[in-house]
Amino acid sequence: GAVVSQHPSWVICKSGTSVKIECRSLDFQATTMFWYRQFPKQSLMLMATSNEGSKATYEQGVEKDKFLINHASLTLSTLTVTSAHPEDSSFYICSASPDEAGGWNEQFFGPGTRLTVL
Amino acid sequence: TQLLEQSPQFLSIQEGENLTVYCNSSSVFSSLQWYRQEPGEGPVLLVTVVTGGEVKKLKRLTFQFGDARKDSSLHITAAQPGDTGLYLCAGGGGATNKLIFGTGTLLAVQP
Repeated sequence: GAVVSQHPSWVICKSGTSVKIECRSLDFQATTMFWYRQFPKQSLMLMATSNEGSKATYEQGVEKDKFLINHASLTLSTLTVTSAHPEDSSFYICSASPDEAGGWNEQFFGPGTRLTVL
Repeated sequence: TQLLEQSPQFLSIQEGENLTVYCNSSSVFSSLQWYRQEPGEGPVLLVTVVTGGEVKKLKRLTFQFGDARKDSSLHITAAQPGDTGLYLCAGGGGATNKLIFGTGTLLAVQP
């Protein structure tokens, strides 16, 4: 149980284009999902908290107009990187917190999406 | 700002050796989790500890939560090459459900 999928697993795009990444909880419902960014050999940096049915909460320094988040259902959140530039190249990881997790903040992670902007 | 410092940052050891990774903070957490991440993949949850002084064992891995719930340790006995990866601690407890991730420990176990 507690499987989270991401699609695509990797994407290469041209500078100036937009890229959408999907995050799905496959066997549980998640009112709350999270989007992280990770640079090589470093820890995870939280970008935003995605809330089903309401606006995402962005961390300080993360541009909400550049990283659009939509959480349309209890099993799907999407991250759209708009007008991507080479500096947006990174490993993007989502996680989902099961609604029945019991309050211990447990998160289950997707396999990540490697974005390369040329 | 809550911070979780992990030490060491990097560790390269021989198969069969023991090791301990530390996760320290000045903040109190309601829960603390340990994850292992392999290159190109997402982190995988290893354990959640919630009680001060709690010790949990997972085969060759022993996790401890500090009495004051500000720190934690991960001890691996007789490390194997399959233990290689990035180990991350993460503290939780806020109303937002967010996790604060540690700085990470990159472990390489040589055969």
